[in-house]
Amino acid sequence: TAGITQAPTSQILAAGRSMTLRCTQDMRHNAMYWYRQDLGLGLRLIHYSNTAGTTGKGEVPDGYSVSRANTDDFPLTLASAVPSQTSVYFCASSAEPDNSPLHFGNGTRLTVT
Amino acid sequence: GQNIDQPTEMTATEGAIVQINCTYQTSGFNGLFWYQQHAGEAPTFLSYNVLDGLEEKGRFSSFLSRSKGYSYLLLKELQMKDSASYLCAVRDSNYQLIWGAGTKLIIKP
Repeated sequence: TAGITQAPTSQILAAGRSMTLRCTQDMRHNAMYWYRQDLGLGLRLIHYSNTAGTTGKGEVPDGYSVSRANTDDFPLTLASAVPSQTSVYFCASSAEPDNSPLHFGNGTRLTVT
Repeated sequence: GQNIDQPTEMTATEGAIVQINCTYQTSGFNGLFWYQQHAGEAPTFLSYNVLDGLEEKGRFSSFLSRSKGYSYLLLKELQMKDSASYLCAVRDSNYQLIWGAGTKLIIKP
């Protein structure tokens, strides 16, 4: 089934540790995004990539980094996790970074203790 | 600042009609999206409006008034499976998506 795959599904991480959240899409979409979703708040954009080889900062980029070496993969790295990064993380893609709808992965639930 | 407002929660009866409103204040406008998100799942795309008026898709319709900064999602013939959160999102002048916090819709038999 075509779509976006995120891994892991959930993770408990000790504060100060690093972690990479994986995201792979097989739709050949140009644009990819990382969002975090917290109770009572709208989805907040962490980082985005309009095409392979380029990345940009979203609304809440601090403490996170991304890379886009190819079209399919868009990993999100937390270099040194803090409890405020406890959240549900969604990776998404769209055919183009304009008015194309976003397709979301199933999310990674991360708890930083 | 940029802002999207939606009611936090709504309750409706199975078989009825419900209207979920969304008002927005953004730097420019390049389209409005509605997504459905069941608890513990990913958001899924429902509708897209860029011009004023009503877009109908089966039991779901979405309306946009750009001059009023207003949209609504209309759900007809409600089914229990429609219990979910409904997210409104607006693309601003930089094509960034601004998201509302979502409206949790509870359907009662």
